[in-house]
Amino acid sequence: GAVVSQHPSWVICKSGTSVKIECRSLDFQATTMFWYRQFPKQSLMLMATSNEGSKATYEQGVEKDKFLINHASLTLSTLTVTSAHPEDSSFYICSALRTGGTDTQYFGPGTRLTVL
Amino acid sequence: SQQGEEDPQALSIQEGENATMNCSYKTSINNLQWYRQNSGRGLVHLILIRSNEREKHSGRLRVTLDTSKKSSSLLITASRAADTASYFCAGPYSGSRLTFGEGTQLTVNP
Repeated sequence: GAVVSQHPSWVICKSGTSVKIECRSLDFQATTMFWYRQFPKQSLMLMATSNEGSKATYEQGVEKDKFLINHASLTLSTLTVTSAHPEDSSFYICSALRTGGTDTQYFGPGTRLTVL
Repeated sequence: SQQGEEDPQALSIQEGENATMNCSYKTSINNLQWYRQNSGRGLVHLILIRSNEREKHSGRLRVTLDTSKKSSSLLITASRAADTASYFCAGPYSGSRLTFGEGTQLTVNP
């Protein structure tokens, strides 16, 4: 168990458009999910903590109006990159904490975003 | 501040050899986690070691934790080509939020 999916796995969009990325916990409930971004050959940087039924908590330096997060159910969190620009091109990865479980985060396979 | 720093940044070994990666951290932790990432893929959780544990095993993996030195090591024994990946340590700060180190790129040559 503890499978997390992301959709889409990759997306190419034009500058100025918005892109929505979904993160789903398939076989468990996740009150808390996390969104990370990763540049090539670099580590993961936490962007925000997504809590079901409440506002996301953003890390310092992450624009909340640009990276909209919605966690409407215990199995789904979405990240919307608004008015995307080439510098937003990155690998976005989500993770989920099993509700009532341990500190282990279960990661999705990631979404490669390319903004032209 | 960065929670984890891996050493070495890159490691290349032959199949069958052991691989050791080290991680140092700066602040107090209640657990430390190791993850593996294949190129362009998500992360796979390998092992979690709690602050009151000194050593933990899982298959060919052995993790140690020295809280006095704020360091941890991951040992992969009898490495295989399929172990080729990036390995990250991560420590929680402020609840369950994780800070990842820069990672060690391991290459296992057949």
